Amino acid sequence: GNSVTQMEGPVTLSEEAFLTINCTYTATGYPSLFWYVQYPGEGLQLLLKATKADDKGSNKGFEATYRKETTSFHLEKGSVQVSDSAVYFCALSWSGNQFYFGTGTSLTVIP
Amino acid sequence: EADIYQTPRYLVIGTGKKITLECSQTMGHDKMYWYQQDPGMELHLIHYSYGVNSTEKGDLSSESTVSRIRTEHFPLTLESARPSHTSQYLCASSLGRGHFNNEQFFGPGTRLTVL
Repeated sequence: GNSVTQMEGPVTLSEEAFLTINCTYTATGYPSLFWYVQYPGEGLQLLLKATKADDKGSNKGFEATYRKETTSFHLEKGSVQVSDSAVYFCALSWSGNQFYFGTGTSLTVIP
Repeated sequence: EADIYQTPRYLVIGTGKKITLECSQTMGHDKMYWYQQDPGMELHLIHYSYGVNSTEKGDLSSESTVSRIRTEHFPLTLESARPSHTSQYLCASSLGRGHFNNEQFFGPGTRLTVL
């Protein structure tokens, strides 16, 4: 079946540190892959997405590359800021029907 | 910018009350979803709809019901609230046509507390 596994948190980093949040998926074929971000007290916001192998999604300094060979979609940012403190969700979807979300990774960035 | 709204944002009610959580979107999306988010952050799909007069139960068993009489509106109702219903409820919608326009857009959520 389809599933998403992401790195467990919480993750605590100092400002300007490098961020990686691992995400791997199980699915047949080529699903679309997403990263969502949730700030305290809010709903989820789409951060970036990729729809085919080797695609790189990017937004606000965050990047993730769709790796079919390793079934991965790791989230990276070169220099995190305090304002990046949030919960990050990896997800996959087939044609926008059912979505499969990871369990979320909490990130805290300290000054 | 996504236009999906949820009301109320916060609700505290007593056990046994009937409540309806409202969700509306102005994007003309066919597909709409309700998730329950537990304190550990994990999202659980409780209901979804692929269009008017179409509703299905999700993966998590829920005592709530939904209706989809209009494309833009997808309310969730609890006939008799209990403390176990205390949670964050998130509504989402998706254009969901094909492979390239299939991301979900989320509302701000309703935090429900049942005393």
